[in-house]
Amino acid sequence: EVQVVESGGGLIQPGGSLRLSCAVSGFTVSSTYMSWVRQAPGKGLECVSLIYTGGTTYYTVSVRGRFTISRDNSKNTLDLQMNSLRAEDTAVYYCASYSSYFDSWGQGTLVTVSS
Amino acid sequence: QSVLTQPPSVSGAPGQRVTISCTGSSSNIGAGYDVHWYQQLPGTAPKPLIYDETNRPSGVPDRFSGSRSGTSASLAITGLQAEDEAEYYCQSYDSSLSAWVFGGGTKLTVL
Repeated sequence: EVQVVESGGGLIQPGGSLRLSCAVSGFTVSSTYMSWVRQAPGKGLECVSLIYTGGTTYYTVSVRGRFTISRDNSKNTLDLQMNSLRAEDTAVYYCASYSSYFDSWGQGTLVTVSS
Repeated sequence: QSVLTQPPSVSGAPGQRVTISCTGSSSNIGAGYDVHWYQQLPGTAPKPLIYDETNRPSGVPDRFSGSRSGTSASLAITGLQAEDEAEYYCQSYDSSLSAWVFGGGTKLTVL
């Protein structure tokens, strides 16, 4: 059975850093593209970052230079290091695998950037 | 402003048929990139509903179907049920932005 579980969200002050983690079971993070998709309160979905099987990474424009996606094949986890956080980064962050579409999703972890 | 445009809301009575449109451009749907649909029930994570325009993941009822034409795609729901009340999102890839893009979402209300 496929399971995707995010952790690491919380309340953080503007300018601060937070690291999200995504634990996966039922498949290996190295065998498929993996992504982080966020949803601001009352808003739609946005693909924030994605990592290809070969290690190439993608970031949406607003987070480039501030966020870093990585995976740990030995732990079968996906991480998102978020630095220089801004109020507009406040959202539920979902970890999702990507084949030709975002197929397996976690339940999400809430990140609130506020003073 | 989303790259893919969806109506903010649609509604229908139980048993009826509703459609949700997703309008893109020549750099996404019109360029031939696949369109996918997701259902998000209140307070839950999005769930894949239709992938590659017309395919349903295991467990999705055949009341849900997808189609595309030109720079647009549509999701049709027949035999509307109360449990279908949710937010629906279309998604594709945009070559101009080099980004995976979503529509703004459509809230379906079952009257």
